[in-house]
Amino acid sequence: KAGVTQTPRYLIKTRGQQVTLSCSPISGHRSVSWYQQTPGQGLQFLFEYFSETQRNKGNFPGRFSGRQFSNSRSEMNVSTLELGDSALYLCASSPKNYGYTFGSGTRLTVV
Amino acid sequence: GENVEQHPSTLSVQEGDSAVIKCTYSDSASNYFPWYKQELGKRPQLIIDIRSNVGEKKDQRIAVTLNKTAKHFSLHITETQPEDSAVYFCAASMSGNTGKLIFGQGTTLQVKP
Repeated sequence: KAGVTQTPRYLIKTRGQQVTLSCSPISGHRSVSWYQQTPGQGLQFLFEYFSETQRNKGNFPGRFSGRQFSNSRSEMNVSTLELGDSALYLCASSPKNYGYTFGSGTRLTVV
Repeated sequence: GENVEQHPSTLSVQEGDSAVIKCTYSDSASNYFPWYKQELGKRPQLIIDIRSNVGEKKDQRIAVTLNKTAKHFSLHITETQPEDSAVYFCAASMSGNTGKLIFGQGTTLQVKP
């Protein structure tokens, strides 16, 4: 059974650019959550989608957005990148609401 | 506010000893409490979780206890082994909605052979 797949694994972007990250959940999992991980702030919740609807949103600026498709795959987008957006972005999926499995993440570096 | 405090931030034990990590949460409506282990350069892995209708759960050398009245929960690892060395994160669901997890700051556990 394939795990949670995140692409790309690494990304380098310039300040002001935008970026789209992709997450393919485990087959059958309908809930997808996104987290930002940094050494200083730890793991911070971005948003959660269930059946194409955003159910929860964290305290991040509007530059951070996401969506979920009918096949449960999810994307997150960050516009007008700032240096402080450099982080590991993790996606996690669950069949319902418990037991979230994380992907390996996308390491974003903003220069 | 939404907050989970985790202690200690670092923990060093001898192989074979026990390790205990404690977390306190702020939202009394929280009803789901997972623990994740993250080795260097790897993804967080769920090692055990507990729901609010249970006071204790055990899985081999790992156990979690929950005190809803005091709003705190703990991870207990017995007979520690060097491969237990990692960063451990606790988390709590917010407002009873398990889709949103708030994580503690993490505990770096070092098990010395």
